[in-house]
Amino acid sequence: DGGITQSPKYLFRKEGQNVTLSCEQNLNHDAMYWYRQDPGQGLRLIYYSQIVNDFQKGDIAEGYSVSREKKESFPLTVTSAQKNPTAFYLCASSIAGVGDTQYFGPGTRLTVL
Amino acid sequence: KNEVEQSPQNLTAQEGEFITINCSYSVGISALHWLQQHPGGGIVSLFMLSSGKKKHGRLIATINIQEKHSSLHITASHPRDSAVYICAVVRGNEKLTFGTGTRLTIIP
Repeated sequence: DGGITQSPKYLFRKEGQNVTLSCEQNLNHDAMYWYRQDPGQGLRLIYYSQIVNDFQKGDIAEGYSVSREKKESFPLTVTSAQKNPTAFYLCASSIAGVGDTQYFGPGTRLTVL
Repeated sequence: KNEVEQSPQNLTAQEGEFITINCSYSVGISALHWLQQHPGGGIVSLFMLSSGKKKHGRLIATINIQEKHSSLHITASHPRDSAVYICAVVRGNEKLTFGTGTRLTIIP
């Protein structure tokens, strides 16, 4: 079955630790995205990548980093510089551009204690 | 003011009722998306439209570009339709801008 997987579903970390969220897709999509969702707010774009070995900052990139070494994978690292990391993180992919239909993973809920 | 406004924020209805969720936006767009977020958090894309109307099963989405307004309708609503419905707009080749969602609850 084609789709997007994110792991883990729930993640707990101590303050000051870096943590990496996994996102893998087997849809052969060129574009991948990371979003953050907070209660009462719309999804906000953290980073996106339209091609391997290239990525761009979204609206709230500070305190996050990404890599796109393979087409299938777009991991997100939440660094200790991120002031409020506790949130629900969603990964998505699309065939090409940012306006295309996006396919979302199940999300990772990160709680920093 | 947000670029994308949805109304109502919360909607509770009886099973079988006709549901309408509204989305207004303040900028010129190239496309509008309707998404459904299940209670577990997963998001599914329902429609992408740039003009007119689209239908899929009991769901109908319409858009009026001149009025900068879109509606999502659900006919013969069912408890399994309970979810958060999210509107998102695209300007040219820019990123999606999302509304805050409408939480729909259908009571049996």
